[in-house]
Amino acid sequence: DTAVSQTPKYLVTQMGNDKSIKCEQNLGHDTMYWYKQDSKKFLKIMFSYNNKELIINETVPNRFSPKSPDKAHLNLHINSLELGDSAVYFCASSRQETQYFGPGTRLLVL
Amino acid sequence: KQEVTQIPAALSVPEGENLVLNCSFTDSAIYNLQWFRQDPGKGLTSLLLIQSSQREQTSGRLNASLDKSSGRSTLYIAASQPGDSATYLCAVKNDYKLSFGAGTTVTVRA
Repeated sequence: DTAVSQTPKYLVTQMGNDKSIKCEQNLGHDTMYWYKQDSKKFLKIMFSYNNKELIINETVPNRFSPKSPDKAHLNLHINSLELGDSAVYFCASSRQETQYFGPGTRLLVL
Repeated sequence: KQEVTQIPAALSVPEGENLVLNCSFTDSAIYNLQWFRQDPGKGLTSLLLIQSSQREQTSGRLNASLDKSSGRSTLYIAASQPGDSATYLCAVKNDYKLSFGAGTTVTVRA
């Protein structure tokens, strides 16, 4: 029943490691997004894909690489994790204007 | 660059009181404005979406107004209930992306 799901929910890892977060939506939406919410609760867009094509790529280090194998999935791979990458990462999807958010992945880099 | 400000950052009211949450944005050339609710440890839920050509939207006890020329929106929640306790985020859409405020954290005391 979950509309937008993310795995894992929690991720604790060491600096320098590489990790991936997965996102899936079963709403039939064409557009998917990755957002980062920092410790001050600011939510910022990172990437947006429409029909598997990248349409928004904000000023994000190239250690972050999104991959969309199909319209229902948008995964985020992070190389060489740094302390400042600790945050909550949200996936979202939309068909028109309303965005539907996943529950978030809480990443802690030690 | 769009900047979104929400005042106040936190609000505590007794049950039954009406809530007024404010949002301001610097670039008035917006496509739409959305209000979201975020519960602790959860994702965002869309509450109301106002197109740039509209002045207000209503859903149940919620009413949101938009004054695009002055760069302001207000979310009114009538007859607040403890279940309304959450963080409310305002987001404006420019250039295919949403820019979020930091939110107003609301506590409704029983």
